[in-house]
Amino acid sequence: QQPVQSPQAVILREGEDAVINCSSSKALYSVHWYRQKHGEAPVFLMILLKGGEQKGHEKISASFNEKKQQSSLYLTASQLSYSGTYFCGTEGETSGTYKYIFGTGTRLKVLA
Amino acid sequence: KAGVTQTPRYLIKTRGQQVTLSCSPISGHRSVSWYQQTPGQGLQFLFEYFSETQRNKGNFPGRFSGRQFSNSRSEMNVSTLELGDSALYLCASSFRTDNEQYFGPGTRLTVT
Repeated sequence: QQPVQSPQAVILREGEDAVINCSSSKALYSVHWYRQKHGEAPVFLMILLKGGEQKGHEKISASFNEKKQQSSLYLTASQLSYSGTYFCGTEGETSGTYKYIFGTGTRLKVLA
Repeated sequence: KAGVTQTPRYLIKTRGQQVTLSCSPISGHRSVSWYQQTPGQGLQFLFEYFSETQRNKGNFPGRFSGRQFSNSRSEMNVSTLELGDSALYLCASSFRTDNEQYFGPGTRLTVT
């Protein structure tokens, strides 16, 4: 099952904060976050491993709650450059049927 | 360091034909994964190769196949093309199978 992201879309003004959630019905080993701008390839933001890890990258940080099988991406004081579609990527079954499953995506638009 | 390259960037094929897409990973990366991206289904995992061995496979029909060469370059083949195969095909490379992935620009395949 594909991880469900919420919200599906969000519009912000520059300087506002946003939270994007990623929920899985399966146990997670790790969570990756990517941002894809229109017409471009996804770009890696950060990876979180098992252990309730929280990582940060400039004004973007994320948390991983393995018990709840959830991860959240926090965008602080958003900038125009943050616009794009955000995907969480989770490591799925290890039986060999698949590895990464990407979430449903969240479209984020930052307005001046 | 040069990024992931994919060739060709654009391709138009007719139903029933076959197609081969190529991916050259970042130098030193031994893991290559392939994804199909469509507006309706999002990012779907196809397969992953590491050191010339297929490590994981997504839920796609046998018409989709791939291989990896000793220099880590990878090819993906789709036989008996269907209209529904029209998509952006992305490959991503990583140093190890559990590392962050770096995506190439993709090959836009249109099947008519």
